[in-house]
Amino acid sequence: GENVEQHPSTLSVQEGDSAVIKCTYSDSASNYFPWYKQELGKGPQLIIDIRSNVGEKKDQRIAVTLNKTAKHFSLHITETQPEDSAVYFCAAHRMSGTSYGKLTFGQGTILTVHP
Amino acid sequence: DVKVTQSSRYLVKRTGEKVFLECVQDMDHENMFWYRQDPGLGLRLIYFSYDVKMKEKGDIPEGYSVSREKKERFSLILESASTNQTSMYLCASSLENIGTAGVDEQYFGPGTRLTVT
Repeated sequence: GENVEQHPSTLSVQEGDSAVIKCTYSDSASNYFPWYKQELGKGPQLIIDIRSNVGEKKDQRIAVTLNKTAKHFSLHITETQPEDSAVYFCAAHRMSGTSYGKLTFGQGTILTVHP
Repeated sequence: DVKVTQSSRYLVKRTGEKVFLECVQDMDHENMFWYRQDPGLGLRLIYFSYDVKMKEKGDIPEGYSVSREKKERFSLILESASTNQTSMYLCASSLENIGTAGVDEQYFGPGTRLTVT
């Protein structure tokens, strides 16, 4: 089955700096890669996703890049703000007839943005 | 807005007790999922359901069972709780995954922190 590795496990940055979280996946047939943000006391929430026919996607201060050859994808947050502090999860999905939208998640990254 | 609710935010049970965790979604989603979240291990899929009365095992189903009698409700059952089941349990739902149209976003509930003593 799919295996997703996420690094680093913790990341501490100063407000205004950039933050990068990286994930690798094992199943070359995976074709959908979402990123979820979990704030304290809440469930994870989708912030951005990318499909395998796209190399990069941006949404304001957040961007995701995908390298299919190397089987890795990354989340980039620019101009970080204290409200970006949260746990971030990457995930991978392989489209198949019976996949039912199942995701395999990475281990999570605790991002702390210091004012 | 999609809303996924879980019956309890915090739960304390004794070893050997039967435990029910309830999840309800209000968006008529076909797919529902149960995960457990542990530090350093991320979210691991326990069971999922793609239709009423239909269920499939996830990656870590041992010690758990599920029930889906109505489309909006998905229950996780710990038949005989053990201390290694102390964890955060998250329920999620999503629309049906239709062919090559892509996979839909999963919407998560707030979680139930279960402690088994």
